[in-house]
Amino acid sequence: DTGVSQNPRHKITKRGQNVTFRCDPISEHNRLYWYRQTLGQGPEFLTYFQNEAQLEKSRLLSDRFSAERPKGSFSTLEIQRTEQGDSAMYLCASSPRGGRRNTEAFFGQGTRLTVV
Amino acid sequence: KQEVTQIPAALSVPEGENLVLNCSFTDSAIYNLQWFRQDPGKGLTSLLLIQSSQREQTSGRLNASLDKSSGRSTLYIAASQPGDSATYLCAVVKFIGNKLVFGAGTILRVKS
Repeated sequence: DTGVSQNPRHKITKRGQNVTFRCDPISEHNRLYWYRQTLGQGPEFLTYFQNEAQLEKSRLLSDRFSAERPKGSFSTLEIQRTEQGDSAMYLCASSPRGGRRNTEAFFGQGTRLTVV
Repeated sequence: KQEVTQIPAALSVPEGENLVLNCSFTDSAIYNLQWFRQDPGKGLTSLLLIQSSQREQTSGRLNASLDKSSGRSTLYIAASQPGDSATYLCAVVKFIGNKLVFGAGTILRVKS
């Protein structure tokens, strides 16, 4: 499978715990995005990497959220001191380096986070 | 700030019917528009990508049009099937590398 891969698919955690999600983009895609989606809404942008550089962060990304893409390949999204309001689907997407379709986004299956 | 609206919010049709989903955006300065399908509890599957210089794109029974000046796009689904039941999302990008801005989606149910 050469698509975008996200792990874990589901995560249930107690309020106050830290969680970390992983995203493996399509090989050689240099752009990687994180989005958050709550029930009945479209995905909302969280942060964007071009290679290993984090170029944009949404105001939705509070100090409790941190994302990394250390070698320009996979990325991690960590949430510290989780709150019930963090419960959502976290989606990762990647886009190719160049060509006419170089903004086409390909999404993973998401990580469903439930904070209890 | 770009805002994307999708109408209707939900749609239920009998199998075989042709249907149109609507997407509008407030800032016409976009680079492209992308239509996605999302099954319950799953990620997004890209259906069609329309560059700002294009008027439409077709894939199988799907046809998407773009009128950038009026800030509108439509997704036309021909001869709908129960397997088309899903949420359909549209999203716009302002420039290369920029984030997608999504609408809330249209929930489609095709009854057999």
